[in-house]
Amino acid sequence: NAGVTQTPKFRILKIGQSMTLQCTQDMNHNYMYWYRQDPGMGLKLIYYSVGAGITDKGEVPNGYNVSRSTTEDFPLRLELAAPSQTSVYFCASSRNPNTGELFFGEGSRLTVL
Amino acid sequence: KQEVTQIPAALSVPEGENLVLNCSFTDSAIYNLQWFRQDPGKGLTSLLLIQSSQREQTSGRLNASLDKSSGRSTLYIAASQPGDSATYLCAVWDTGNQFYFGTGTSLTVIP
Repeated sequence: NAGVTQTPKFRILKIGQSMTLQCTQDMNHNYMYWYRQDPGMGLKLIYYSVGAGITDKGEVPNGYNVSRSTTEDFPLRLELAAPSQTSVYFCASSRNPNTGELFFGEGSRLTVL
Repeated sequence: KQEVTQIPAALSVPEGENLVLNCSFTDSAIYNLQWFRQDPGKGLTSLLLIQSSQREQTSGRLNASLDKSSGRSTLYIAASQPGDSATYLCAVWDTGNQFYFGTGTSLTVIP
């Protein structure tokens, strides 16, 4: 029962570098989400997808990009990393958010120096 | 825009006590509300999901209630144990096509 898998778990980037956070789920869920969690701020939605080939912006999309070429994978791309992107990033998925649970990965802790 | 608030931000209780965690939301047009548990350095685990048409859900020592009209939900934990120590978050899924999360209540159960 893998569920939602995120890699890497930890990463340190220098300002201006780029990287991709990987997310894959094996539950055949159509809905997938990327959140960032900052201390005392709750989870903020970055991007979401309602199915392969469909993505949309959330509350805090600036500085990020996503793609959804398959149902299983939903990578998050950080371009030109900035210190403000230091955070813990969570990927989540749901079969149908109107009626079903939201499943989370273990998170990716990113530090930009 | 939906806003979700959880009070208190932190709570410390002795083992064995019953306790209540609170969650309030500003827009009652929701499809469901979920309670999550988050352990340090880990992801969120769904504990209970309440549909908008339901009043409560139970799982073991946990009971969650929902009063949609007043914008409130409570999570009741019976006979608390040290293993219950974690941060508890609530989230609502509303007609805006996204989940809105509270900032959580950090619970410490003292042996």
